[in-house]
Amino acid sequence: AQSVAQPEDQVNVAEGNPLTVKCTYSVSGNPYLFWYVQYPNRGLQFLLKYITGDNLVKGSYGFEAEFNKSQTSFHLKKPSALVSDSALYFCAVNPSGTYKYIFGTGTRLKVLA
Amino acid sequence: AAGVIQSPRHLIKEKRETATLKCYPIPRHDTVYWYQQGPGQDPQFLISFYEKMQSDKGSIPDRFSAQQFSDYHSELNMSSLELGDSALYFCASSLSSVASGRFRTDTQYFGPGTRLTVL
Repeated sequence: AQSVAQPEDQVNVAEGNPLTVKCTYSVSGNPYLFWYVQYPNRGLQFLLKYITGDNLVKGSYGFEAEFNKSQTSFHLKKPSALVSDSALYFCAVNPSGTYKYIFGTGTRLKVLA
Repeated sequence: AAGVIQSPRHLIKEKRETATLKCYPIPRHDTVYWYQQGPGQDPQFLISFYEKMQSDKGSIPDRFSAQQFSDYHSELNMSSLELGDSALYFCASSLSSVASGRFRTDTQYFGPGTRLTVL
């Protein structure tokens, strides 16, 4: 079965420190990979995506993500965390030839001042 | 830039009642998706439409139906509501394409959601 895993329910990081939110997937073919952020009682906001090309993709608000095909991972990173980055982050995969996204279970990021 | 619009934003219904959720995609987007997000859960794909035809189906209960209209807006109809239907319902839209005989859809942009509470 196709699945997306976010192994950490919560990640705590001090403001100014680098952050990493992990995502691995089990999907055949060459899926598209996405990261979204969700603030309380809000919709999902698109951060970045990987389709093809350079393994390091840059997105909104200083976030970037590194695609690793051999490890089937797509970890979200930011060099210097802000308190305002505190939110729920979802990794999503769009299997090729389909319309749907498969979401991970989400990781709550808490940036401490 | 115009975003996905959903209405209503909040809806309270009694068990066994019906509900209709509406979604207006970003202009020129041809694909609409519906997701259900329960409390503390990740969004679960329900159904999608491309050019007014159902394109993919996920874990949508038989009590639910949806369609996409000629102006590309979509409606999710929910009947015989149950307590377990209480959730945040998201609509998303995207632009799809066919290249070299293969279908691909671009980034899905999500609306703010409709919070449905069933009492």
